Amino acid sequence: DSGVTQTPKHLITATGQRVTLRCSPRSGDLSVYWYQQSLDQGLQFLIQYYNGEERAKGNILERFSAQQFPDLHSELNLSSLELGDSALYFCASSARQGSSGNTIYFGEGSWLTVV
Amino acid sequence: AQKVTQAQTEISVVEKEDVTLDCVYETRDTTYYLFWYKQPPSGELVFLIRRNSFDEQNEISGRYSWNFQKSTSSFNFTITASQVVDSAVYFCALSEGTGSNTGKLIFGQGTTLQVKP
Repeated sequence: DSGVTQTPKHLITATGQRVTLRCSPRSGDLSVYWYQQSLDQGLQFLIQYYNGEERAKGNILERFSAQQFPDLHSELNLSSLELGDSALYFCASSARQGSSGNTIYFGEGSWLTVV
Repeated sequence: AQKVTQAQTEISVVEKEDVTLDCVYETRDTTYYLFWYKQPPSGELVFLIRRNSFDEQNEISGRYSWNFQKSTSSFNFTITASQVVDSAVYFCALSEGTGSNTGKLIFGQGTTLQVKP
């Protein structure tokens, strides 16, 4: 158990819909990351938040957005869903206060199927 | 540009064989981290090891060992006496920089390891 909690584990929704994926980082971790794993693109970095602020952006579509709340949990919002958005979405966390290095621990992922 | 290459797409071995998973990386940074993750059939990504660019010592953890060679930009992973439970997809990843600003991992395409009884 990595300590990173993601909900829901599985989600099936229709094209055009909007979903929200939720992530609770490991206790004390300030950074939250979102990754997408698809068959054709592999594992790709989407976005990073550190202590509530956006810190880095990757290949995140404009239809997708994320935020990190004061309690450090994060949400990834996916809107106007397309069939190609079907993927495994991972949340990860790192950077406990006072520690060095950046070991990144992943949650179990949220399987999104768009039909 | 940063890049991680895992040239072996699939490897199949028989239980108790040793197997090495190759990882070659490209980066212009002098400070970076290298990772290996395991993804079993259940889907989660399990952290195995992190190595920083200043530490070229090889590491052994039980049946797992890692060989880091900066001269060839490689970070290979060996499983000794493989077991069926080792069957999974293994990812090598690269992270540049230090501190809380890093975390963007560049992943290789993964190597699927099948260990047959």
